[in-house]
Amino acid sequence: AQKITQTQPGMFVQEKEAVTLDCTYDTSDPSYGLFWYKQPSSGEMIFLIYQGSYDQQNATEGRYSLNFQKARKSANLVISASQLGDSAMYFCAMREFGGGADGLTFGKGTHLIIQP
Amino acid sequence: GAVVSQHPSRVICKSGTSVKIECRSLDFQATTMFWYRQFPKQSLMLMATSNEGSKATYEQGVEKDKFLINHASLTLSTLTVTSAHPEDSSFYICSAYSREGRLEQYFGPGTRLTVT
Repeated sequence: AQKITQTQPGMFVQEKEAVTLDCTYDTSDPSYGLFWYKQPSSGEMIFLIYQGSYDQQNATEGRYSLNFQKARKSANLVISASQLGDSAMYFCAMREFGGGADGLTFGKGTHLIIQP
Repeated sequence: GAVVSQHPSRVICKSGTSVKIECRSLDFQATTMFWYRQFPKQSLMLMATSNEGSKATYEQGVEKDKFLINHASLTLSTLTVTSAHPEDSSFYICSAYSREGRLEQYFGPGTRLTVT
């Protein structure tokens, strides 16, 4: 079973609109972290935002916010006031702290295209 | 933020030869580094965890004799693809956690390997 599921392979959004990128996850570890990364066409992975499983409040970083619904096991990324430069691949990832492994498990990604 | 570099950014090699990719943490010491692989239009897959001064931990299905990892210092990990074949052509990305205990992984810019 996939640990990270991103159901939107591609999205087209008008500039200045808000956009929500979906991410659901599966884990039995009570201690985990959820990450969102942006990958432009250049290939670099840019860290956007982090949410810990025990965090009481939803994470926010500038125009990025994470809609964390623990019971539903979802961690959707919300980008407010989208810009042309937001066009990129977006990956949701998880790190499970209880198993001893420190690597990230990534979803398949969402290709976001912002249209003028 | 912390910077991770990779060298080379692109490499083309002939089938049967070996290729070494370097991953350096430029402004922090990294006891642990990670190697990921990304096929075109696909997600990142964790290949192995590189631990300074000890053997790397490989993910299931990754041939450790084919993908040799050496983490000889706190700032350098190398991935050597031995006896490369065209199916090894991929985008290889390394990452690291800083020793300051930050939760997000800092990614290198990636290395595009093409095996002809």
